[in-house]
Amino acid sequence: EVQLVESGGGLVQPGGSLKLSCAASGFTFSGSAMHWVRQASGKGLEWVGRIRSKANSYTTAYAASVKGRFTISRDDSKNTAYLQMNSLKTEDTAVYYCTRLTEEEHNFDYWGQGTLVTVSS
Amino acid sequence: QTVVTQEPSFSVSPGGTVTLTCGLSSGSVSTSYYPNWYQQTPGQAPRTLIYHTNTRSSGVPDRFSGSILGNKAALTITGAQADDESDYYCVLYMGSGIWMFGGGTKLTVL
Repeated sequence: EVQLVESGGGLVQPGGSLKLSCAASGFTFSGSAMHWVRQASGKGLEWVGRIRSKANSYTTAYAASVKGRFTISRDDSKNTAYLQMNSLKTEDTAVYYCTRLTEEEHNFDYWGQGTLVTVSS
Repeated sequence: QTVVTQEPSFSVSPGGTVTLTCGLSSGSVSTSYYPNWYQQTPGQAPRTLIYHTNTRSSGVPDRFSGSILGNKAALTITGAQADDESDYYCVLYMGSGIWMFGGGTKLTVL
């Protein structure tokens, strides 16, 4: 059974940092591109960024709204992807989902249940 | 900056047909944007309906179909059912590794 389990969410002050994790199982994590998507309460989905596999040089890409503040990484030995969030703003408050993209089919086929990040003083 | 556009809301009668669209504030959507469609109910993660324009995800009923209509991607629901009442999102590949979601369409079945 495929599972993506996000963790690390919580309350953080504006300007602070937080690191989210996404633990994967049930598929070949090392060969997969992993993406992060967020959703503010009552709002739509927003693509945050992605990291490709080792075969694709672990290349990353980010949405303009987070570029320079957020960093995505991965540890294939732990089947885990990470989202390091720095210089957090109140508008970063959202549920953060990790999802796998099958690059052959361009399909976000597996999703986690999300972890809530609240940026507030 | 280019924005992905969707109808904010739509209504359909049970058994009816509805087409939701996914466009660009500047330009036309083609298969090269790999449009995907997702269904989301409150408190749940998104569920893939359609990927790569018109391929149904495993287990998705065939009353859901995807296409390109004119200059937009489209999701058509034929024979709408009460449990199709959900939020629907499209996402497009913008190039250089960047994906962009539309604002979503809230579908009401009544």
